[in-house]
This record gives sequence, C-alpha cells and structure tokens, in this order.
Amino acid sequence: DTEVTQTPKHLVMGMTNKKSLKCEQHMGHRAMYWYKQKAKKPPELMFVYSYEKLSINESVPSRFSPECPNSSLLNLHLHALQPEDSALYLCASSPRGDRGPSNQPQHFGDGTRLSIL
Amino acid sequence: SQQGEEDPQALSIQEGENATMNCSYKTSINNLQWYRQNSGRGLVHLILIRSNEREKHSGRLRVTLDTSKKSSSLLITASRAADTASYFCATDARLTGGGNKLTFGTGTQLKVEL
Repeated sequence: DTEVTQTPKHLVMGMTNKKSLKCEQHMGHRAMYWYKQKAKKPPELMFVYSYEKLSINESVPSRFSPECPNSSLLNLHLHALQPEDSALYLCASSPRGDRGPSNQPQHFGDGTRLSIL
Repeated sequence: SQQGEEDPQALSIQEGENATMNCSYKTSINNLQWYRQNSGRGLVHLILIRSNEREKHSGRLRVTLDTSKKSSSLLITASRAADTASYFCATDARLTGGGNKLTFGTGTQLKVEL
C-alpha cells in the first residue's frame, strides 16, 4: 500500500467528456506533483504545487487543468482529451515545498490508468 | 525531456545473481535518486546519493556516482524474483517556485527468473 492515494484506478472517457483525477496524501507534505507516463517510458513531469500554489507547468495543454484545494489534495481536471493522452497519470508528494535544499525523495501513488476513446 | 540514458534497456538474470544498471545524465546535479516501478504500480524510492558522495549502500543495493563522468550505477546483489521491475534513475533540481523537479532516465527492465 502507498501513502499517496489516487482515484480512480482506471478511467475510460470519450473525447468530449469532462472528468477529474484525484490524489490525496496525509503525510504533511507541502509539495505535490502530477506526472504522465506512457507505456515503457519514464514518467514526465506535468505540474508542481508548492504550498498549494502552482510552482511549475511544463507546457501542458490547457485541456489538463490542475487544482490544489488544500495541502492534502491535488486534482487534475480533464476536458476534451485526445487519444494520445491515454497514459498512466501519477501523483507524487515530497516533504518540503519551500526553498530548502533538495535531496527529497518523492512518494508516488499507484496512478490512474486513463484511456481516451 | 529525458535527462539521460540507462543501460541496459532490459536485463534478464537468474535468482541469486547480481544485477547492475547504469545511468548517464547531462547536467550538473545536487543529487541522483533511484526508483523502482513494479508493473502497473507507482514508483518507489530506493536510494538517494548526493553529489559529494561516491558510494552508498542500502541493504542489497549499492549505488555509485561519478560526477566527472556524469554517471551512476545501481547494483542489486543476490537478486530475488521479487526484484523483477523497472528501475529508473532521476536527477533532482530545485524549483524557484518550490518543490523539486525529477527528470528520469530511460529505465532498465529487470527480470529475475527462478
């Protein structure tokens, strides 16, 4: 079992649908992350939140909309996705969001496997 | 964009043998981390080595770092079937807005057979 919980585990949606992915952690971590992972490829960073504020957007299309309503929750809102967006979406967290030294491992959830029809 | 390459891309060994995976990266680093990913699961952090360290051990894991060659290796000794997974190295960069960015290597798929 992981300490970062992602729901749903699987999601199938059409290109016109609107859905949301959810991520929750109760470790008191102040940085949270969304990654996209295609099959047999490494994860690629999408968004970073630090103290509930967006720290970085890695040029992700606007059909992906992140939200961090509080320090424990991270959402990814999906709208008008394309078939190439089918992938495993991973959420992660790390202890400190501020400008301290790095050297912080990230804790990952098991992901949401998304299929776009 | 990917930070670097890992080799081999795939490795198949017998239980009890050692497995060595190599990682090369392109930029200067604060630290390098290794993660394991079992099929259909998230990533699990294995070990972190700082840029001023040359070698680090954790149980059956041994990691080396050569900053002059921009390379690292992960050695798993006395492998077990449960070690079957994909292994990724990742470089770590602080973000000015907070948090840290991990950039992963291409990964090595390890299969340990009974």
